[in-house]
Amino acid sequence: AQSVTQLDSQVPVFEEAPVELRCNYSSSVSVYLFWYVQYPNQGLQLLLKYLSGSTLVKGINGFEAEFNKSQTSFHLRKPSVHISDTAEYFCAVSPNTNAGKSTFGDGTTLTVKP
Amino acid sequence: DAMVIQNPRYQVTQFGKPVTLSCSQTLNHNVMYWYQQKSSQAPKLLFHYYDKDFNNEADTPDNFQSRRPNTSFCFLDIRSPGLGDAAMYLCATSMYSGVNNEQFFGPGTRLTVL
Repeated sequence: AQSVTQLDSQVPVFEEAPVELRCNYSSSVSVYLFWYVQYPNQGLQLLLKYLSGSTLVKGINGFEAEFNKSQTSFHLRKPSVHISDTAEYFCAVSPNTNAGKSTFGDGTTLTVKP
Repeated sequence: DAMVIQNPRYQVTQFGKPVTLSCSQTLNHNVMYWYQQKSSQAPKLLFHYYDKDFNNEADTPDNFQSRRPNTSFCFLDIRSPGLGDAAMYLCATSMYSGVNNEQFFGPGTRLTVL
C-alpha cells in the first residue's frame, strides 16, 4: 500500500516569484511518481513523471521536480510563476508492479497574484 | 489527436433516476479508470479495467457499475443516484506494459443530482 501527503493545501504567491509545492510519500514497494495539474472544470494533465534515472525531472510549463529517495519526497518547483499557473496540483504515486492503482494526494491550490 | 473523450460534459439527473456516463479513447490503451472527484478533493478511484478484467475498489458503493464493451469505450452506470453522488467523474487511460506509466484524463463529466 502507498500514501501521498501534500504538505500545503494552499500556496499563494506573487507573479514571477519562485514556488515549491511539497509532496511526501510512503510505500512498501518501489514506486513511480507523477505531478498533475488541473484547471477549473477540466481533467488532470501530466506535468512530469519520475520512473527511473536522473532524480531531477523537467516537465512542461517550466516545472521541475526532484526525487529524494531518502526523504521519500518529490517536491515540485518553478523558478518564476505566471498568472496562468493558477490551478490545482496533484502528486501521485503508482507501484512499479501490477497495472493501475495510482494514489493521489489531496492537492495543492496554487494561486498566483499579480 | 489521440485523446480521451467524455460525454456528456454536464449531466443533470433526478434523485434515484439511473444515469450512464460514457468515455471513449483513441489511444488504444489497455487500462481504463473511473474516478469520482468532489469539490476541492483528490480524485477517488472507483474501479478500473485492465483489458477485460474488472477491478473494483473495496469502498466503491454497489450503486456504481461499469462496462467496457471493447478497448475504446467504457461506461459508468449509477443505478440510483443520491444527492451525495453529485461530483465530477473523470475517466482516464494508461498503457500498462510492465510499467505503470502516466494516466491520460478526459475533461470530466459534472453530474448534478436534483
